[in-house]
Amino acid sequence: DGGITQSPKYLFRKEGQNVTLSCEQNLNHDAMYWYRQDPGQGLRLIYYSQIVNDFQKGDIAEGYSVSREKKESFPLTVTSAQKNPTAFYLCASSKGLAGDEQFFGPGTRLTVL
Amino acid sequence: GIQVEQSPPDLILQEGANSTLRCNFSDSVNNLQWFHQNPWGQLINLFYIPSGTKQNGRLSATTVATERYSLLYISSSQTTDSGVYFCAVDSWGKFQFGAGTQVVVTP
Repeated sequence: DGGITQSPKYLFRKEGQNVTLSCEQNLNHDAMYWYRQDPGQGLRLIYYSQIVNDFQKGDIAEGYSVSREKKESFPLTVTSAQKNPTAFYLCASSKGLAGDEQFFGPGTRLTVL
Repeated sequence: GIQVEQSPPDLILQEGANSTLRCNFSDSVNNLQWFHQNPWGQLINLFYIPSGTKQNGRLSATTVATERYSLLYISSSQTTDSGVYFCAVDSWGKFQFGAGTQVVVTP
């Protein structure tokens, strides 16, 4: 089945630790995205990538880092510099960047204790 | 940046009722999507609708790009329709999400 997978589903970390969230897609999509969702709110864009080895900051990139070494994979690292990292993180992909339909993974719930 | 406003913020329906959700946006957009977020957090694609009208079963959507709004219609609502409905618009290659409409359908 083609789709987007995210792991783990739930993640607990101590304050001050970096943590990496996984996102993999087998849809052969060029573009991939990371969003953050806080309770009762919409999604906010963290980073996006149109092509391998290239990525751009979204609206709330501070405290996060990404890499795009393979077309299928777009991992997100939540660093200790992120002031309020507890949130629901969603990964998405689209065929291209310019307004193509986005498809989402199941998400990772990160709790920092 | 582009502003996206959804209304109403909350909606309580009795099973079988019809409803309309609205999405207003502040600038011209390349594309627009409607999503349903289920209780487990999964975002399900409902419509990819930059303009015009589309229907999928009991759901339909209309986007009037020149007037900068889109409408999502739910007919004969069912309890499985409960959840949050999001509108997202594409501006310069990045999607901007509205705050969502929380829908509760009671038996």
